[in-house]
Amino acid sequence: DTEVTQTPKHLVMGMTNKKSLKCEQHMGHRAMYWYKQKAKKPPELMFVYSYEKLSINESVPSRFSPECPNSSLLNLHLHALQPEDSALYLCASTTGSRGNTGELFFGEGSRLTVL
Amino acid sequence: QKEVEQDPGPLSVPEGAIVSLNCTYSNSAFQYFMWYRQYSRKGPELLMYTYSSGNKEDGRFTAQVDKSSKYISLFIRDSQPSDSATYLCAMRGYSSASKIIFGSGTRLSIRP
Repeated sequence: DTEVTQTPKHLVMGMTNKKSLKCEQHMGHRAMYWYKQKAKKPPELMFVYSYEKLSINESVPSRFSPECPNSSLLNLHLHALQPEDSALYLCASTTGSRGNTGELFFGEGSRLTVL
Repeated sequence: QKEVEQDPGPLSVPEGAIVSLNCTYSNSAFQYFMWYRQYSRKGPELLMYTYSSGNKEDGRFTAQVDKSSKYISLFIRDSQPSDSATYLCAMRGYSSASKIIFGSGTRLSIRP
């Protein structure tokens, strides 16, 4: 079983709704990531938090808003999404320390459907 | 040209066969190489990671890196139907701040 826990596993929302995806890890990792994955495509990087600070934002639309309340938690707030935002949203973590090998540990993902 | 090229397949082999999955890359700065297995509708699971050129073995899996040719491989011995999944290669540079670049993934099917 993965040590990165994502909730909810499935989410259906309308274009006017506000919802949040949550991610939690207790491996002491200091870098956490949000990826978006469409069917039959590789994961696409959205955001990276390193030591609880946003370090990478891959020009993601503002309707996606990340938040890192502490070193174990990562949220993705969703508002006014479009049907094309329907995808599997993956959270991942890595040690984030010097000499880090870059092994990303992924959660099971949250499957989002926007109606 | 993409930084990482991976044949999307699908690749179908009989149970017990040796499977070879490959990726090529163009960025000589890549230093760390990973293979992930992803079952349908699940998150990717880390299978292997390597740093230097050469081979690394873990059970039925062997990862091979040839930096001079910018070519990495994953071999699966005695393949099982449970190995049917999409396999993603991934790589990044030395700095912990460098991005991880994924291949497009190869869909593998093992026929019983």
